[in-house]
Amino acid sequence: NAGVMQNPRHLVRRRGQEARLRCSPMKGHSHVYWYRQLPEEGLKFMVYLQKENIIDESGMPKERFSAEFPKEGPSILRIQQVVRGDSAAYFCASSLDTGQGQPQHFGDGTRLSIL
Amino acid sequence: DAKTTQPNSMESNEEEPVHLPCNHSTISGTDYIHWYRQLPSQGPEYVIHGLTSNVNNRMASLAIAEDRKSSTLILHRATLRDAAVYYCILRENTNAGKSTFGDGTTLTVKP
Repeated sequence: NAGVMQNPRHLVRRRGQEARLRCSPMKGHSHVYWYRQLPEEGLKFMVYLQKENIIDESGMPKERFSAEFPKEGPSILRIQQVVRGDSAAYFCASSLDTGQGQPQHFGDGTRLSIL
Repeated sequence: DAKTTQPNSMESNEEEPVHLPCNHSTISGTDYIHWYRQLPSQGPEYVIHGLTSNVNNRMASLAIAEDRKSSTLILHRATLRDAAVYYCILRENTNAGKSTFGDGTTLTVKP
């Protein structure tokens, strides 16, 4: 009964390169959420997706960041032309549905470092 | 977003109970109270949630004040593995799906 799987666990990129972070939700979960955690801070919501649809992207930076959750395969968080300020831990969570009483299950994150 | 207030840090001795408080004075009638914890270098882990009544599970208990303006997460016997940052979160009907994390309480457990 695998939990939320994120890969890679660690990713190093140079400024200007692209970063692609992958998230496979728990089996049977069709709701995926991405959060970012800067060093010594709490998690900040970025985007919420439900199979092929973006439901809420209120926390996503307007430029360079995009997310998708295709019908087949993992959810992808894509960061283009990375800058030093993108260095953070990126966490993905999934849930069975979106009810307020439904817990979110988190992966162990991808730690992105920008050189 | 409805806000929660937690102490920055707390200490406990191993094998003793721990009461982690959370204030949420602006809670609305349909908001659920969720607790998560985050161990070092890991993602947040769901602990427990409730609406109005006290809740118990294998990890912890959740005591919710009658006016719902505060709640307390209770770890009945703290272990060294319970050392983590504990987050109290309100899940609002208007932002279904989105969880707003504050700074949480860093729990230190002393042997």
